[in-house]
Amino acid sequence: QKEVEQNSGPLSVPEGAIASLNCTYSDRVSQSFFWYRQYSGKSPELIMSIYSNGDKEDGRFTAQLNKASQYVSLLIRDSQPSDSATYLCAVDTGTASKLTFGTGTRLQVTL
Amino acid sequence: DVKVTQSSRYLVKRTGEKVFLECVQDMDHENMFWYRQDPGLGLRLIYFSYDVKMKEKGDIPEGYSVSREKKERFSLILESASTNQTSMYLCASSSGGMETQYFGPGTRLLVL
Repeated sequence: QKEVEQNSGPLSVPEGAIASLNCTYSDRVSQSFFWYRQYSGKSPELIMSIYSNGDKEDGRFTAQLNKASQYVSLLIRDSQPSDSATYLCAVDTGTASKLTFGTGTRLQVTL
Repeated sequence: DVKVTQSSRYLVKRTGEKVFLECVQDMDHENMFWYRQDPGLGLRLIYFSYDVKMKEKGDIPEGYSVSREKKERFSLILESASTNQTSMYLCASSSGGMETQYFGPGTRLLVL
């Protein structure tokens, strides 16, 4: 069973701080990695994708990938209360565009 | 913008009823997926389809079937609903060869 592991949280950070979310995966053949944000009662929405080792930045979000260590992380700079949500890590399975999702990390940004 | 719509946001059904959940996408995507999401268990794949009339079982297909007669439409069928099928059901689609999945708003199903 291919696995994607995330700390369930909640991860609590003060407004303006950096939030760091981590994800590890078990399948070495995985090539594509995604971060989704899910507000309570809503569906997941894609916020970042990353395919190569290193960092990828998009606004306040930075995804980091280390295939040798099999982890992917998401940094959120200048965290805002609107960032409070569950963040899902997803990894490709190498089969027919299927993804395996982690159970998510709940982020709380406090005032 | 990719748009994935689901037929109902909330649904209440009785045990034993046949339940149809419908999903429509407007981006000509080849791949479509049905997941259920339960607290602590995350997203679990029920079925997926990579072409019209094609379907593949996911991780938890028992008690479900699917239909894909047209490219834009993917239906999930609960043949005889049971209380353990109370859940949030999410449909997603992706373009052929690309893994990025786009989700519909979800259907919260309660089986009494």
